Amino acid sequence: SQQGEEDPQALSIQEGENATMNCSYKTSINNLQWYRQNSGRGLVHLILIRSNEREKHSGRLRVTLDTSKKSSSLLITASRAADTASYFCATDSSSAGNMLTFGGGTRLMVKP
Amino acid sequence: DTEVTQTPKHLVMGMTNKKSLKCEQHMGHRAMYWYKQKAKKPPELMFVYSYEKLSINESVPSRFSPECPNSSLLNLHLHALQPEDSALYLCASSFDRVSYEQYFGPGTRLTVT
Repeated sequence: SQQGEEDPQALSIQEGENATMNCSYKTSINNLQWYRQNSGRGLVHLILIRSNEREKHSGRLRVTLDTSKKSSSLLITASRAADTASYFCATDSSSAGNMLTFGGGTRLMVKP
Repeated sequence: DTEVTQTPKHLVMGMTNKKSLKCEQHMGHRAMYWYKQKAKKPPELMFVYSYEKLSINESVPSRFSPECPNSSLLNLHLHALQPEDSALYLCASSFDRVSYEQYFGPGTRLTVT
């Protein structure tokens, strides 16, 4: 079952623009993770943010976490065509046996 | 070496065949996972091995049988599959089962005819 719901389901932007994806979840979490998946390939881990953290950065990626609203966002700045992929949030929750539970994903297309 | 490898990349099998998927990691990770992913859907957890012991089995049909011969290897044995089992099968590993990021292999694209 899905713990996280992502919004939007699909996003199309021009190269150079910023892309923002949102993730909402239902139960308390230990951490929330973001993954990228290029078409038909394995997932690549992007960022892990723990429940006591509010913001993390990695290169052009910025992740925020609001545990009071049970939501997270992933911002990709200055997007590139190579950023075209599906992006998934995944929650690690004690109530789910510490299994990663993935959201439905956001399909991002960056047009050159 | 931060790579998880999976073989084969593609597999086509009939409903009466027996085949196996293989996964390998050499990162010293103690947890390994099998996921099933249908097109345009998120990965769904099938099995979790922690310290070479099956710790989670997400009510997967018995036609899927996991095996962890050692801490670096994970197999998924397939028998009498159905066409609806066609999917991308992903293997992943993590340092430990709790609160660590997972490293995914490229997947095996399985088609059941």
